[in-house]
Amino acid sequence: GENVEQHPSTLSVQEGDSAVIKCTYSDSASNYFPWYKQELGKGPQLIIDIRSNVGEKKDQRIAVTLNKTAKHFSLHITETQPEDSAVYFCAASRETSGSRLTFGEGTQLTVNP
Amino acid sequence: DAGVIQSPRHEVTEMGQEVTLRCKPISGHNSLFWYRQTMMRGLELLIYFNNNVPIDDSGMPEDRFSAKMPNASFSTLKIQPSEPRDSAVYFCAIPIDAGTDTQYFGPGTRLTVL
Repeated sequence: GENVEQHPSTLSVQEGDSAVIKCTYSDSASNYFPWYKQELGKGPQLIIDIRSNVGEKKDQRIAVTLNKTAKHFSLHITETQPEDSAVYFCAASRETSGSRLTFGEGTQLTVNP
Repeated sequence: DAGVIQSPRHEVTEMGQEVTLRCKPISGHNSLFWYRQTMMRGLELLIYFNNNVPIDDSGMPEDRFSAKMPNASFSTLKIQPSEPRDSAVYFCAIPIDAGTDTQYFGPGTRLTVL
């Protein structure tokens, strides 16, 4: 089955700096890679996702890059703000009938004002 | 979180008691996922339903756990008897778009078993 590893487990940055979180996956058939943000006391919320037909996707201050050859993908947050502080999860799936998301262990991002 | 209602939001019970967690998608969905989140094990898929039928329950820890989805608007996760190690946050999730793995999570139920 799929195995997703996520690094780092904790990340602390100064407001305005960039933050990068990286994930690797094991199943070469995986083709869907979402990122979720979980704030304290809430469920994970999808913030951006990418499919294997593209190498990069951007939405305002958030971007995701995918390297299918190396089987890794990354989340980039620019101009970080205190409200970006949360736990971020990456995930991967084959996105076929009966497929399921496999999540990374999560990264606690703290943005210091 | 408005797309999925979970109840109760918090549950404190004693070891040995039966616990029933509920999930109600605002709009009916034939697919639904139950996850458990703990500090030690992270976010784990317990079971998922497609067309209201359990497709994969390999993540269900033991026979003490059972889940049902009688219709597209309701699902339950039951633990009987509960144990302290079941203490966790339990989420249900629904697909955002049919045919994709894009999931929308509910707010979760925080379960504490004393």
